[in-house]
Amino acid sequence: EAGVAQSPRYKIIEKRQSVAFWCNPISGHATLYWYQQILGQGPKLLIQFQNNGVVDDSQLPKDRFSAERLKGVDSTLKIQPAKLEDSAVYLCASSLYLADNEQFFGPGTRLTVL
Amino acid sequence: QQQVKQSPQSLIVQKGGISIINCAYENTAFDYFPWYQQFPGKGPALLIAIRPDVSEKKEGRFTISFNKSAKQFSLHIMDSQPGDSATYFCAARRDYQLIWGAGTKLIIKP
Repeated sequence: EAGVAQSPRYKIIEKRQSVAFWCNPISGHATLYWYQQILGQGPKLLIQFQNNGVVDDSQLPKDRFSAERLKGVDSTLKIQPAKLEDSAVYLCASSLYLADNEQFFGPGTRLTVL
Repeated sequence: QQQVKQSPQSLIVQKGGISIINCAYENTAFDYFPWYQQFPGKGPALLIAIRPDVSEKKEGRFTISFNKSAKQFSLHIMDSQPGDSATYFCAARRDYQLIWGAGTKLIIKP
C-alpha cells in the first residue's frame, strides 16, 4: 500500500513570504494530522481532521497558518506570512479512523525561513 | 500536565548492548503510550506501544516497561544493532491526540 505523500520535500523562503504544503494520506484513511517538528524537538500537533471536518486546531497559529482538507482526502497547509521561527519540518500523518492507534507519517517538508 | 518528559537526549551504546530510554508523564488521563522510531529524512514510524493496564510488552528485541504508579515508562532495546541507530520518541495519547517527548538520538557503535 502506498504511504503518505508530501510535497515539496524542501522549501526555502524569505520571511514575510507565503508557502503551501501538500499532503496525500493513505487511501481510505479518514483522519489526517499536520505536525510541526522543530529541530531537536518532538512533533507538535497543529491540526487534526476527521474526513473534511476539523477535530482540533487549538495549537494552530491562526493569524498566519491555515489548513484545509477539501473532499476529505488531500490536504494543504499554508503559512502567510512566514516568520523565522516557522523554520521546521512539517509532517503529515494519517490514520484509518480517529481512535486508531497507529499514525502513518509522510517524509515531511523541511521549511527554512531566511 | 500535558507534558511527556524523555531522557536521555542522546545515547551511545555498543553493538550487542542494551539501550534504555525513559519517559515520564503527569496526566493520568493518558490511555495509550507508543514509541516511534525516526530515521534521518523520514517521518516517525510506530515501533511498539502499550496501554496502562499492562506492565510490560515485548516485540522481538524491543520491550516497553510501564510503571503506572510512578507514571513512567521505558523502552529497552536488547542486542542493539547499528541499524537501530535513529531518534526514538515516546508519546502519550489523550482524546485521540498524541503528546510527544523531545526524542532520544541513539547511536549504536559497531
